[in-house]
Amino acid sequence: SQTIHQWPATLVQPVGSPLSLECTVEGTSNPNLYWYRQAAGRGLQLLFYSVGIGQISSEVPQNLSASRPQDRQFILSSKKLLLSDSGFYLCAWSVSGPYEQYFGPGTRLTVT
Amino acid sequence: QKEVEQDPGPLSVPEGAIVSLNCTYSNSAFQYFMWYRQYSRKGPELLMYTYSSGNKEDGRFTAQVDKSSKYISLFIRDSQPSDSATYLCAMNNNAGNMLTFGGGTRLMVKP
Repeated sequence: SQTIHQWPATLVQPVGSPLSLECTVEGTSNPNLYWYRQAAGRGLQLLFYSVGIGQISSEVPQNLSASRPQDRQFILSSKKLLLSDSGFYLCAWSVSGPYEQYFGPGTRLTVT
Repeated sequence: QKEVEQDPGPLSVPEGAIVSLNCTYSNSAFQYFMWYRQYSRKGPELLMYTYSSGNKEDGRFTAQVDKSSKYISLFIRDSQPSDSATYLCAMNNNAGNMLTFGGGTRLMVKP
């Protein structure tokens, strides 16, 4: 069966510090991978998606970036965090199309 | 106006009640409709998805799509306290990789 991991689970970072969040998927090959952000009490905002190694599409202009160095690894990064980057970051995967996405446990980021 | 609207709730019901959760949307190109359940501080869990119009049943859950009205529903029969969560609807137009989410409805089922 497929599983998806995210780490860290929680993170508190000062404004201006760098960020690296990691997501890995097990039990499937060549998945589509997604990064979402969920602000408190709000729906999910798609940040990036990837259909293959090195292929990244950005949906929202921001100070975040994403990379996919391996088939089942997706990384979300920032060089300098802003207060507005606080939120719940979710990684998701799909293989049969974007309509059947499965989410990881999330990383709760607080920028202070 | 948001593309997908969902009443944020909270919706409070007694155990055993039938729950109706709804979303309206404005983009007539949407063809796939999903329902996710999200417990507090957890990732969303896919409950079910439907294609185009019609009903789909899975245990106590029934998803209903009315494309003519741009309205989708999720019914929960015999609701349980363990159903207490936020329910998110999501949609896709089959032309890209983006899901458009509603803001979620918080449901509380009281014993």
